[in-house]
Amino acid sequence: GAGVSQSPRYKVTKRGQDVALRCDPISGHVSLYWYRQALGQGPEFLTYFNYEAQQDKSGLPNDRFSAERPEGSISTLTIQRTEQRDSAMYRCASSPRVAGEIQDTQYFGPGTRLTVL
Amino acid sequence: AQRVTQPEKLLSVFKGAPVELKCNYSYSGSPELFWYVQYSRQRLQLLLRHISRESIKGFTADLNKGETSFHLKKPFAQEEDSAMYYCALSPQGGYNKLIFGAGTRLAVHP
Repeated sequence: GAGVSQSPRYKVTKRGQDVALRCDPISGHVSLYWYRQALGQGPEFLTYFNYEAQQDKSGLPNDRFSAERPEGSISTLTIQRTEQRDSAMYRCASSPRVAGEIQDTQYFGPGTRLTVL
Repeated sequence: AQRVTQPEKLLSVFKGAPVELKCNYSYSGSPELFWYVQYSRQRLQLLLRHISRESIKGFTADLNKGETSFHLKKPFAQEEDSAMYYCALSPQGGYNKLIFGAGTRLAVHP
């Protein structure tokens, strides 16, 4: 079946603009995660959802970053008043079950490469 | 602090040579450890996890709690193993986030 999809794949924006990044998880997957990956680094956790509930947003770097998943499926990561330091690959992942004692496999999307000029 | 360290940015070997990708972690509890791999032009995907104790594509990894390590090994590297490899940790208790290392690029030459 279809994997996790993300759009747009590439986004170039000017400093100060708002951007919205979309993630469409695997159908039926309960949990959804957002990560940010700077050049030369590993993915860094931002936030995650079980169904529509945001469970942990401790990784969001500041209040310009927000995420939602209103119907428990598609999620949007919004960055307001973008800055050059926001340039990175933004990765979304989903997993089938609610967080339990055992970590579920996370299935990653292709990522959105954001460039802020 | 929870941290994953992959000391090598690049590991270059010849086909048929043994491979060991190093991973050390810092965590006070009992984490779950994973290796994720990203082949060229593909998305990040799970390679193996320590609780499965299985071999995937000839790779194995053993969790050494004394040394806080989870090194990835393969006895005979193949060219198709060339990829970016990330070690990741998930804190215990169903806390679902993954903490990744910076990654090691494995280049296998013919």
